[in-house]
Amino acid sequence: DGGITQSPKYLFRKEGQNVTLSCEQNLNHDAMYWYRQDPGQGLRLIYYSQIVNDFQKGDIAEGYSVSREKKESFPLTVTSAQKNPTAFYLCASSMGSGSTDTQYFGPGTRLTVL
Amino acid sequence: GQQVMQIPQYQHVQEGEDFTTYCNSSTTLSNIQWYKQRPGGHPVFLIQLVKSGEVKKQKRLTFQFGEAKKNSSLHITATQTTDVGTYFCTQSGSARQLTFGSGTQLTVLP
Repeated sequence: DGGITQSPKYLFRKEGQNVTLSCEQNLNHDAMYWYRQDPGQGLRLIYYSQIVNDFQKGDIAEGYSVSREKKESFPLTVTSAQKNPTAFYLCASSMGSGSTDTQYFGPGTRLTVL
Repeated sequence: GQQVMQIPQYQHVQEGEDFTTYCNSSTTLSNIQWYKQRPGGHPVFLIQLVKSGEVKKQKRLTFQFGEAKKNSSLHITATQTTDVGTYFCTQSGSARQLTFGSGTQLTVLP
């Protein structure tokens, strides 16, 4: 779980504002992921990227946007269109293209929209 | 993504008791990965099982992959308070997406 940083740890925003969550990895991993976790729930995939300048929607992409301009960075923007943005957001990365890749998670960002 | 079902959702045990969580799928799984998430923390990789009938051990933890590769279990012997957390099973789907089960939240009472 080392080598992936997310900032900030806690984030508060007013309703209607867009907010961007940072995710950086120095593991030289090709793939990066964003998950959302609600209290007492599992992880749901928002977006993932297998390679620079390419990304795909996950199961709950509506109201979110991402970019992958650099291998080490995969920022997530929570837009005002996301109806229930308050959640714990986890970024992860994995090395390559095999189906058995292990994902390494960052410490997460807890977003609260007031 | 393809879902795996995990039971139980919650488990409270007295310290020193054993604990088991089960992961079930209606379809054959290519592999199973287990993660642990401490309260307030992030998921941490524990182990991966790939072969039918595979059994792996990590100290007090025993992981099994079913013969048909449709289920898996995690057994903890003589739980300790450090075992507290939520245990997730996952499988890699298409394009290397991990599909997480709902997790089993373990509470260990001292």
